[in-house]
Amino acid sequence: AQSVTQPDIHITVSEGASLELRCNYSYGATPYLFWYVQSPGQGLQLLLKYFSGDTLVQGIKGFEAEFKRSQSSFNLRKPSVHWSDAAEYFCAVGPMNTGFQKLVFGTGTRLLVSP
Amino acid sequence: KAGVTQTPRYLIKTRGQQVTLSCSPISGHRSVSWYQQTPGQGLQFLFEYFSETQRNKGNFPGRFSGRQFSNSRSEMNVSTLELGDSALYLCASSLGLAGTRDTQYFGPGTRLTVL
Repeated sequence: AQSVTQPDIHITVSEGASLELRCNYSYGATPYLFWYVQSPGQGLQLLLKYFSGDTLVQGIKGFEAEFKRSQSSFNLRKPSVHWSDAAEYFCAVGPMNTGFQKLVFGTGTRLLVSP
Repeated sequence: KAGVTQTPRYLIKTRGQQVTLSCSPISGHRSVSWYQQTPGQGLQFLFEYFSETQRNKGNFPGRFSGRQFSNSRSEMNVSTLELGDSALYLCASSLGLAGTRDTQYFGPGTRLTVL
């Protein structure tokens, strides 16, 4: 069965420090991979996506993620966290190239930023 | 381009009632997917509509239904509401075409509270 694991429920990072959020997936084939961010009471905003090609992808707000096929991972990183990055982050996988739109999400990681 | 819009943003209903939520996708998008977000179950896929047809369905009871109109706007309906239906309902739109590097864009959600 398809699944996404985000092992960290909460992470606290000091402002200006680097960040890495972990994501591991289980999928029958190579999926499309996404990171979304959700601020309290809001919908999901797309940060970045991986379809194929270069395994290091750049997103909005200074975020990047690296796809590692051998580890079934798609970890999200940011070199210097800002207080406005405090939010909940979701990793998701979707079927590749089929047109069908079902996304499977991880349970999310809540990021807290300390001054 | 205008983003995905959902109405209403907030709803309060009582057990046994029914509710209809509306979603207007991004212009040009033909696929609309619905997700339920709860603290206990996280983000779960409800169903997807493409060109007025339900193309994919998640593991939810028949009380949850939807439809899509010719202008791609979609509605979802929940009948005989239960307390456990209290959730944030998110709508996402995408092109929905096979062979494309498709991405789902989410609306702000409708917060449903069942008393």
